Formats: sequence, structure tokens, C-alpha cells
Amino acid sequence: KQEVTQIPAALSVPEGENLVLNCSFTDSAIYNLQWFRQDPGKGLTSLLLIQSSQREQTSGRLNASLDKSSGRSTLYIAASQPGDSATYLCAVDFGVTPLVFGKGTRLSVIA
Amino acid sequence: DVKVTQSSRYLVKRTGEKVFLECVQDMDHENMFWYRQDPGLGLRLIYFSYDVKMKEKGDIPEGYSVSREKKERFSLILESASTNQTSMYLCASSPPGVKLFFGSGTQLSVL
Repeated sequence: KQEVTQIPAALSVPEGENLVLNCSFTDSAIYNLQWFRQDPGKGLTSLLLIQSSQREQTSGRLNASLDKSSGRSTLYIAASQPGDSATYLCAVDFGVTPLVFGKGTRLSVIA
Repeated sequence: DVKVTQSSRYLVKRTGEKVFLECVQDMDHENMFWYRQDPGLGLRLIYFSYDVKMKEKGDIPEGYSVSREKKERFSLILESASTNQTSMYLCASSPPGVKLFFGSGTQLSVL
């Protein structure tokens, strides 16, 4: 079964710190991978989409990388701010079924 | 801007009632999805549709049905609501192989 795992489930960091969120997946034959942000009680917002042929994508302070051979992706957040506090979810398109989601990492940035 | 609209933000229903959750997207997307999200379980796919009048079962279709009579609208139906269907319901849409766009979610409570 194709699975997506995010560890840790929760992370707390002081404001200004650079941080990395991790995502691992069980099958290297992916079409693309997306990172989402979810604020409490709200829907998900797509942050970055990495196609299988790409190694990374950047948007502002966010940088997502993809290593298909090792089944891993990372989301790097530079100079974290309290407004970055949210749950971050990784989702993988394995091509056969709709996106498979990880359970997310709940990030708290402490002022 | 892309918009996925879910008809209700909060909904309270009684056990045994028939419940309709409506989702409308204004982007002419082929693909539409219904997920439910529960603490500790993450997002789980209920049903999805790749075209008008087409539907496919996701991971947890039991107790649910869907309708897609028009491209922009995808309805989730709880035939006879039960307390274990209390959850956050999220609708999403996308073109094939591209970013997924989510609605704001409907928090359903079944009493």
C-alpha cells in the first residue's frame, strides 16, 4: 500500500529559527508531491507543487526539495515567524489513485 | 482567484437524517474530491469524480453517496447520518496532475 509519513507530528521552535519539515513516501514512482498548509478549523492551502522531474521549488521563505530515490521530501522554512504556526501536510500523487496525504506536522513558532 | 465554495461552515444534524453537503468550484476543473478529516486519522478520501456524472469510491465510501450532475458541483450525501460521521468534511478540485484547491470545510456534528 502506498503511504506517506510525516515525522514529527508536532514541532515547536522559537521565532527566527530556520526549520525543516520531513515527508517520506513508500514508492519512488511518483508523479508529483505537494505541500499544504492548514490553519485550525480551516481548509488546506497549497504551498508548493514539485513535479517528479524537479528537485526543488521555492516560494518566498519556503523551499521544498524532492529526492525520489530515497522517497523523501523536505519543506524548509527560513526565518520562521509566529504567523507560520499551522499544520503542514505533504501529499503524493502516485498516479494510480488520488493524492495520498500524510497526517501532517503541527508547527508552533513561539515569539 | 480560484474558488471552491462549501455551502455550510457548520452543520448540526440528528441521527438518521439525510444530509447534503454541497461543493461548487468556479474554475472549470475536471476533478473533484470529498475528504473527511479526523484528529489522529488525517485526511481520508470518501469519493472522487473525474468528470460529470462519473464517480469513484475512495477509501471510506460506506454510508455516503455523491452526485455530480454539473461540472462545477459535487454533492456529498449522508443517507442516514450517524454519530460516527461527525467530522470536518473538505471538498477539493483540480485539473489533472496540478495543484489541489480546497474549500474552507464543513464541520458536521451528528447528535
